[in-house]
Amino acid sequence: ETGVTQTPRHLVMGMTNKKSLKCEQHLGHNAMYWYKQSAKKPLELMFVYNFKEQTENNSVPSRFSPECPNSSHLFLHLHTLQPEDSALYLCASSQGRGEVEAFFGQGTRLTVV
Amino acid sequence: AQSVAQPEDQVNVAEGNPLTVKCTYSVSGNPYLFWYVQYPNRGLQFLLKYITGDNLVKGSYGFEAEFNKSQTSFHLKKPSALVSDSALYFCAVRDGYNQGGKLIFGQGTELSVKP
Repeated sequence: ETGVTQTPRHLVMGMTNKKSLKCEQHLGHNAMYWYKQSAKKPLELMFVYNFKEQTENNSVPSRFSPECPNSSHLFLHLHTLQPEDSALYLCASSQGRGEVEAFFGQGTRLTVV
Repeated sequence: AQSVAQPEDQVNVAEGNPLTVKCTYSVSGNPYLFWYVQYPNRGLQFLLKYITGDNLVKGSYGFEAEFNKSQTSFHLKKPSALVSDSALYFCAVRDGYNQGGKLIFGQGTELSVKP
């Protein structure tokens, strides 16, 4: 275990549904991230939060809405997704953003039908 | 802009043989370089990193990586591969000049170690 927990592990949703992914870290880190992992593609950085403030949004469609209520929790709210949004969504955290490594959760496997 | 490339989608190695997984990078400042491993249906696990100092970095599970500034490479190596090393390996880079820089990942290399 890395100290970063993601729920649910698997999620199947219709294109009209609204769902949320949850990430919790018990490491005392101050930075949290959402990544998207699709088959045969590099990990895509979606959002970055530092001390609960969003510092990066890599041109992510508005159907993905992040929320960071505190430094330990990160959510990704999903609505009106498309089938191409099916992927593994990974949460990570780190203490700062310089030379430190990030710790990853096990991911949520999302399937949009 | 920073980037990282892993030129091989897949590497096949016989158990007991040495293995190398290649990675090249591009940053404007000094690079912070990382290797991660991903087992099926799991998140990424940190293996090792290069920040400064000795070009040969040792990490978890007997892996090591060599930083080569002139070739802008950071290849992952292991002297003797195990079947259990079979997994997806990711190289990542952050631009050390910019402390707020993104951690950028390569596309991954699938390592297959056969008995």
